[in-house]
Amino acid sequence: LAKTTQPISMDSYEGQEVNITCSHNNIATNDYITWYQQFPSQGPRFIIQGYKTKVTNEVASLFIPADRKSSTLSLPRVSLSDTAVYYCLVGEGGSYIPTFGRGTSLIVHP
Amino acid sequence: DAGVTQSPTHLIKTRGQQVTLRCSPKSGHDTVSWYQQALGQGPQFIFQYYEEEERQRGNFPDRFSGHQFPNYSSELNVNALLLGDSALYLCASSLVSSSGNTIYFGEGSWLTVV
Repeated sequence: LAKTTQPISMDSYEGQEVNITCSHNNIATNDYITWYQQFPSQGPRFIIQGYKTKVTNEVASLFIPADRKSSTLSLPRVSLSDTAVYYCLVGEGGSYIPTFGRGTSLIVHP
Repeated sequence: DAGVTQSPTHLIKTRGQQVTLRCSPKSGHDTVSWYQQALGQGPQFIFQYYEEEERQRGNFPDRFSGHQFPNYSSELNVNALLLGDSALYLCASSLVSSSGNTIYFGEGSWLTVV
């Protein structure tokens, strides 16, 4: 399983763009990159998934360079409600077992 | 379209007792995984069920067992509860044939062992 490395914590202010980078140096050819958001006492929530280049949805963008050894989750104009833990996971297929690290604790300040 | 549902949401048990947690996967999903999340930690994989059989297992003792039913719902059973079993237990579902790795989680069951 590809191991991921993320910053333990980040701070931002309302209205700013936040970029969280995840390193996954031993990503395999068939692996996808998925990001989850988790609020206290709730289950992780799917944010975005990508394989290469750039993916954008209504809440975030995911940037993946050509070598796919890292990825960056971009949250535009964060609000207080974006304060949460963000997890980067790498794996393939519906039957793989995602391995969670400690994630990145994002705190958004007024 | 209902997402992953878990029950109960909270429960308190006494050390040595047994507990059963239940999970209904997202509609159309055939694979269920269970995770344990201690306070301040990321979720830790317990096991995964597909076609009513345990496919993979994490580093958890045999006190943790599970079952998957023909309708894809699942149960997690923990015997001889220890204080250290207090945690949020998460159920996640996915479709084994999907090309990506999108896994959907329920809101979890909070277990407190006293």
